Amino acid sequence: GAVVSQHPSWVICKSGTSVKIECRSLDFQATTMFWYRQFPKQSLMLMATSNEGSKATYEQGVEKDKFLINHASLTLSTLTVTSAHPEDSSFYICSATDRDFYEQYFGPGTRLTVT
Amino acid sequence: GQNIDQPTEMTATEGAIVQINCTYQTSGFNGLFWYQQHAGEAPTFLSYNVLDGLEEKGRFSSFLSRSKGYSYLLLKELQMKDSASYLCAVLDSNYQLIWGAGTKLIIKP
Repeated sequence: GAVVSQHPSWVICKSGTSVKIECRSLDFQATTMFWYRQFPKQSLMLMATSNEGSKATYEQGVEKDKFLINHASLTLSTLTVTSAHPEDSSFYICSATDRDFYEQYFGPGTRLTVT
Repeated sequence: GQNIDQPTEMTATEGAIVQINCTYQTSGFNGLFWYQQHAGEAPTFLSYNVLDGLEEKGRFSSFLSRSKGYSYLLLKELQMKDSASYLCAVLDSNYQLIWGAGTKLIIKP
């Protein structure tokens, strides 16, 4: 089956610093990758959609200058949370789709805590 | 607007059967997904329906009626490990996944 990895699985950082989260498709080429955020006891919130080699499309209310997304290859996308604040603490999950089917394969998620 | 409705929480007994309903109103339809999400973990794929009818996969079955904008996930022979949130998601005409808020299923011994 299709496998998506995320790194790191959890990170603690100080307020004002930046954090980069990597999302990799291990055994397939991901034409599209998605970044989600999930607060405790809430559903997934789509932050942005990225296609390899093009700029990400951000959902309404998501600051593109704060959440930088780079989809440099068909197997790697990165999300950088810039100048993180405690309210950015959340569970960040990426997913990816391949060319043939629109099922999203999810990474294991990254738990970010900003102190 | 686009909308997906599913119950917030359900409780069932170990060994029993439970049905989780999902109704949707979206701009176009290219399939409906059910995902399972355990607390603190990412969602995992359960099923995909694009044609009307019942799809059975072991203890889990998923049903779709496109004319009614309705789906359900049926879980049989419930086990304690089935305690999780179950997310309904619809692929709209732009092939974007529209997510429901999820149904938290609590299994009691």
